[in-house]
Parts: sequence; structure tokens; C-alpha cells
Amino acid sequence: GQQLNQSPQSMFIQEGEDVSMNCTSSSIFNTWLWYKQDPGEGPVLLIALYKAGELTSNGRLTAQFGITRKDSFLNISASIPSDVGIYFCAGRRGAQKLVFGQGTRLTINP
Amino acid sequence: EPEVTQTPSHQVTQMGQEVILRCVPISNHLYFYWYRQILGQKVEFLVSFYNNEISEKSEIFDDQFSVERPDGSNFTLKIRSTKLEDSAMYFCASVRPTGLAEAFFGQGTRLTVV
Repeated sequence: GQQLNQSPQSMFIQEGEDVSMNCTSSSIFNTWLWYKQDPGEGPVLLIALYKAGELTSNGRLTAQFGITRKDSFLNISASIPSDVGIYFCAGRRGAQKLVFGQGTRLTINP
Repeated sequence: EPEVTQTPSHQVTQMGQEVILRCVPISNHLYFYWYRQILGQKVEFLVSFYNNEISEKSEIFDDQFSVERPDGSNFTLKIRSTKLEDSAMYFCASVRPTGLAEAFFGQGTRLTVV
């Protein structure tokens, strides 16, 4: 089946540092989505990517849809305490199910 | 802003009992999904629903599970005879009808089977 490999699994950084995480797949996706999940909450959409090579920003967040359509990365610049949480990538082909990565748990030391 | 709502937020049930988890998707959305997340693990696909029928289901979604959209607004997930390993967060999601493929998630129902 379709699998997404997300890395790193966890990150421990200092406030103010930049963060980078990525997802790779053996399958091609037409859409890449990045979600953030706070404890006890549902995933909240951060950025959606629809075209290979697309680079999209949302405030301090930047994400790119890989040229091969098999990977995507998310960068967070100048991290702040509220960035703490679990970040998930997700991929979709057409109207098929959204497939999630394993998540990256971000911890920030003040 | 429209959102997906789920009830209850927390359900505790005895093993072997039936549970129904409820979702109200965003009103003009047409694709609906149930996902589950065992504590500390990734979000796993259970089932997708379109045009009043299941369009895709995972191997997790066995005969003990069923979904229904009884009245055009609610979308329910039923587990007939719960097992301990069904304990998880269950998320409902909906996708708007055209163009963009973004899925919007509810807050989840935490199911605890004892």
C-alpha cells in the first residue's frame, strides 16, 4: 500500500531556531498536505500543495511539493513556543484516501 | 468559519458493547472520512464515504465497523462489539466538493474500551 516516511520522528530545539522536516514516498501523489496536531485535538491544516515544484508559505511556515511528486518538506523559521506539537504530512491521489506520515514531534526549549 | 464537529468528545465503554460515534461534516462537503489514532501513533485511515456509499476502506475496517449518513447531515461510525484494541482517538474529516483536496478534521472522539 501507499506509505509515507516522515523524518525526523522527533526534534528538540531552542526557541528561535529554524526547523525542517520532510516526507518521502515510493508512490506519486497529486496533493501534499501538512497538518499540525496539538494534544487531544484533531489535525489542523497548515499548508496544501497541488503542483509539483510548488513552494508555498503561510507566515513562518514554508512547504514544497517535490518535483518527482514523491516528496515534500516543511520548514518553520524562528520557532516559538506555540509551534510545539506533532506535525504530519499527508498525501493524496485524486479522490482517494489521505495517507499520513508517522509524524514529527517538535519540542522547543525556551 | 464552518467546521467539522464530533460527539461525544470522550466515550468510555465496556468490551463487547456497541458504540456510535457521531460527526457533522461541513455542510457543502461531499467526501467524508473516518480515521483513528492510537495514542502516540500516526493517523490511520479507516473508511471513505461518497454519494451515500463506502468508496474505500482499510483492513482495519472489518465487519465490526459500519458507517452511515442517516439524514444528510450526520455521519456516524458504529463499532458493533468493541475490543480493548479499539481504544483510540477517532477523527472524522470532510473534503469540499470541487477543486481543492484539503481535508478538514473534527476535534475527535476519544474512545476508551475497558
